[in-house]
Amino acid sequence: GESVGLHLPTLSVQEGDNSIINCAYSNSASDYFIWYKQESGKGPQFIIDIRSNMDKRQGQRVTVLLNKTVKHLSLQIAATQPGDSAVYFCAESVYNFNKFYFGSGTKLNVKP
Amino acid sequence: DTEVTQTPKHLVMGMTNKKSLKCEQHMGHRAMYWYKQKAKKPPELMFVYSYEKLSINESVPSRFSPECPNSSLLNLHLHALQPEDSALYLCASSKETGGNTEAFFGQGTRLTVV
Repeated sequence: GESVGLHLPTLSVQEGDNSIINCAYSNSASDYFIWYKQESGKGPQFIIDIRSNMDKRQGQRVTVLLNKTVKHLSLQIAATQPGDSAVYFCAESVYNFNKFYFGSGTKLNVKP
Repeated sequence: DTEVTQTPKHLVMGMTNKKSLKCEQHMGHRAMYWYKQKAKKPPELMFVYSYEKLSINESVPSRFSPECPNSSLLNLHLHALQPEDSALYLCASSKETGGNTEAFFGQGTRLTVV
């Protein structure tokens, strides 16, 4: 199956700093990507998505960047807050294949 | 209503038991999914239903049996499970079936097999 991986399993940042979480994917046919946040004991929560015809998309305090050339995805969180502490997963899918594959996840620790 | 509701939240079952996990959404979504998540691991896709028909089975053992009674409900029937099947079972749904719209997840059922 497709392989979606992350460079950093754990990221610790100071409250107020910006966070960058990275994800590498291996399937060049993937054309839709989602970032999910998962808090302990809860299901994944949608944060932001991006389609392959875009290279950047912004939400509230979050920005996703897509580099198709190197098959890399990143999530930037501005002014990180303690409530942002969670595990973050990227997920990819290929149009019409109706599957979402998840990367291995990065745990974000926000220090007050 | 943007919720996917899963019941029960916790389940402990013996290896000879039969139990069912339930999932419900009222968003009119036409695709529904079952994922399995072990501790500190990403969710792994098990099944996909598209328009109430099973469209994807990711080589899941037959002791897991999915069912989609209608467009709002998704069940996962469990029988003769093993301790290694203990995990968080997540249900998700998405508006379209092409895999190009976001999937909304429920809070999961924490399953322990003893």
